[in-house]
Amino acid sequence: AQTIHQWPVAEIKAVGSPLSLGCTIKGKSSPNLYWYWQATGGTLQQLFYSITVGQVESVVQLNLSASRPKDDQFILSTEKLLLSHSGFYLCAWSWGTSQNTLYFGAGTRLSVL
Amino acid sequence: QEKVQQSPESLIVPEGAMVSLNCSFSDSASQSIWWYQQHPGKGPKALISIFSNGNKKEGRLTVYLNRASLHVSLHIKDSQPSDSAVYLCAVSMYSNYQLIWGSGTKLIIKP
Repeated sequence: AQTIHQWPVAEIKAVGSPLSLGCTIKGKSSPNLYWYWQATGGTLQQLFYSITVGQVESVVQLNLSASRPKDDQFILSTEKLLLSHSGFYLCAWSWGTSQNTLYFGAGTRLSVL
Repeated sequence: QEKVQQSPESLIVPEGAMVSLNCSFSDSASQSIWWYQQHPGKGPKALISIFSNGNKKEGRLTVYLNRASLHVSLHIKDSQPSDSAVYLCAVSMYSNYQLIWGSGTKLIIKP
């Protein structure tokens, strides 16, 4: 069975500080990986996706960057947090080249103060 | 830019009732349409998807797609308190790897 793990579960950070969020998928080789952001009570916004190691496509950047250093790992980061970065960050995976179901992680709750 | 709009914003129904949720999208070239369920503080979970005009049934769920009117609806039969959640409509557009999401319908099923 496939599992998706996001870390950390929650973060409280200061404006201007760096951030790194991670996501690991086990039990599936070569998954498509995604980062989403959801403001409190807001709409899901796709940030990035990656269909292979080392390649990341940006959908909406929001002063964030993403990397895929390993087949099963996706990292979201920034060097300087803004207040507007607060929210719920979700990692997801799908498999295959056609439109397929997204499987989401439990998310990371980020508060920027 | 593709837009996805959902209605109603919120809905309260008694247990056992039929629930109907609506989603409209702005581009007839959109591909698959998905419905996801999201409980508070959790990641969304896929429920059902549809590509072709018509309807599709899975268990207590039925989805109807009308591409001419750019409208899709989700119907939940025999609703249960555990169905209480936010229901999200998502439309795939531009590529197999991008989804445009609606703002959701908050559903409360009263026992």
